[in-house]
Amino acid sequence: KNEVEQSPQNLTAQEGEFITINCSYSVGISALHWLQQHPGGGIVSLFMLSSGKKKHGRLIATINIQEKHSSLHITASHPRDSAVYICAVTPNFGNEKLTFGTGTRLTIIP
Amino acid sequence: SQTIHQWPATLVQPVGSPLSLECTVEGTSNPNLYWYRQAAGRGLQLLFYSVGIGQISSEVPQNLSASRPQDRQFILSSKKLLLSDSGFYLCAWSLLGAGDTQYFGPGTRLTVL
Repeated sequence: KNEVEQSPQNLTAQEGEFITINCSYSVGISALHWLQQHPGGGIVSLFMLSSGKKKHGRLIATINIQEKHSSLHITASHPRDSAVYICAVTPNFGNEKLTFGTGTRLTIIP
Repeated sequence: SQTIHQWPATLVQPVGSPLSLECTVEGTSNPNLYWYRQAAGRGLQLLFYSVGIGQISSEVPQNLSASRPQDRQFILSSKKLLLSDSGFYLCAWSLLGAGDTQYFGPGTRLTVL
C-alpha cells in the first residue's frame, strides 16, 4: 500500500463544475504539498499546508491532520485547469524526502 | 527573483552511453537541491538530494550518481545508461528542506534506446 493515495486517478468534468481531488496518507507528517503538472511536464507548487485551509484564486486546499486527509478544490473550473494534480507529504521522521502520490489527471471540457 | 534552469530539455541516448544533466539555481544561496525521476505512467521518485556543496544523499540504489560542485549547481550523471533510465528528470530546490515549498525546473525528457 502506498503511503500517499489519491482519488480519483482520472477526472473529466465540464467547464464551470466544482472539482474535488482527495489525498489520504498513512504516516505522520509535518507538511502536505499540492503540485500541478502541466501536459508539457513542468511542475508548479500550488500549496503547502500543515493545518486548516488555504485559498489562492479559484483553488482551495484543506487538510485534516487527525483523519490524515487533504482535499484540493477548484471552483468554476476552466479548460486551462486541465493538468495532473499531485499530492506529496513531508514525513515526520526528519529526512529530506517528499513522498508522492501518483497523481490525479484532470480534464476540463469546454 | 529565483529561477531554476535545466538542460538539455530533451535527450536521446543509446544504451551504455554516459549521461550528464545539469541544473542551476539563480537568485538564492544555500538551497537544498533535489533530483527526481518520473517514469512513464509513474509517480515522482526522489533520486538524490543535497543540503550543501559536496553533500549528496542517495535515495535509490542505481547506476546514477549526483554531484554538487558549486552551491547552486547540481549534476546528475551516469557512466552507462540502461533502458530503464528513460524518463522525465526534474531538478528542484527549496530553502528550508522538504518541509518547505519546492520549486521545480522545466525537466529533461530522456529516452534511452
